[in-house]
Amino acid sequence: GENVEQHPSTLSVQEGDSAVIKCTYSDSASNYFPWYKQELGKRPQLIIDIRSNVGEKKDQRIAVTLNKTAKHFSLHITETQPEDSAVYFCAASIRGANNLFFGTGTRLTVIP
Amino acid sequence: NAGVTQTPKFQVLKTGQSMTLQCAQDMNHNSMYWYRQDPGMGLRLIYYSASEGTTDKGEVPNGYNVSRLNKREFSLRLESAAPSQTSVYFCASSGLPGQGSNEQFFGPGTRLTVL
Repeated sequence: GENVEQHPSTLSVQEGDSAVIKCTYSDSASNYFPWYKQELGKRPQLIIDIRSNVGEKKDQRIAVTLNKTAKHFSLHITETQPEDSAVYFCAASIRGANNLFFGTGTRLTVIP
Repeated sequence: NAGVTQTPKFQVLKTGQSMTLQCAQDMNHNSMYWYRQDPGMGLRLIYYSASEGTTDKGEVPNGYNVSRLNKREFSLRLESAAPSQTSVYFCASSGLPGQGSNEQFFGPGTRLTVL
């Protein structure tokens, strides 16, 4: 099956700075890469996703980039705010399957 | 429109006891999933059901069974609970018919402690 690795496990940034979280995947057949945000005690919620036919996708302060050759993808959050503090999970899904393989998560803390 | 619901929210069991976690979705999704979440290990898939009438093992199925009761409901059963099954359990669903969407919608979770 797919193996997704995520780094760093914790990340602290000053409010207004940017944050970058990186993931690698192992199976070249993976073609869907979502990012989920999980606030303390809450359920994971999708914040952005990208498919393998696209190299970059943006949604306001959030962007995701995908490098299929290197099998890695990254989440970029600009102008961070305290409400961005949460655990972020990357995931990958193999073409033709519904299953998601998750990374181990990054705890982001935005310091006011 | 409640989305994905789970019961119970909290449960404490003794080793060897059994219980069933219930999950229901009202989004007409084809696929449903059960995950467990442990500190530092992310979300790991226990079982999934790609469509009504089918179930398959995920990464960590040992000690669990599932039933896709109908399109809306997907239950997870622990026959003989062990302390290693102490975790937060999330149910999720995805896939509107004909739309091929991979986005998974999660329930609020069940916090299970096995003593």
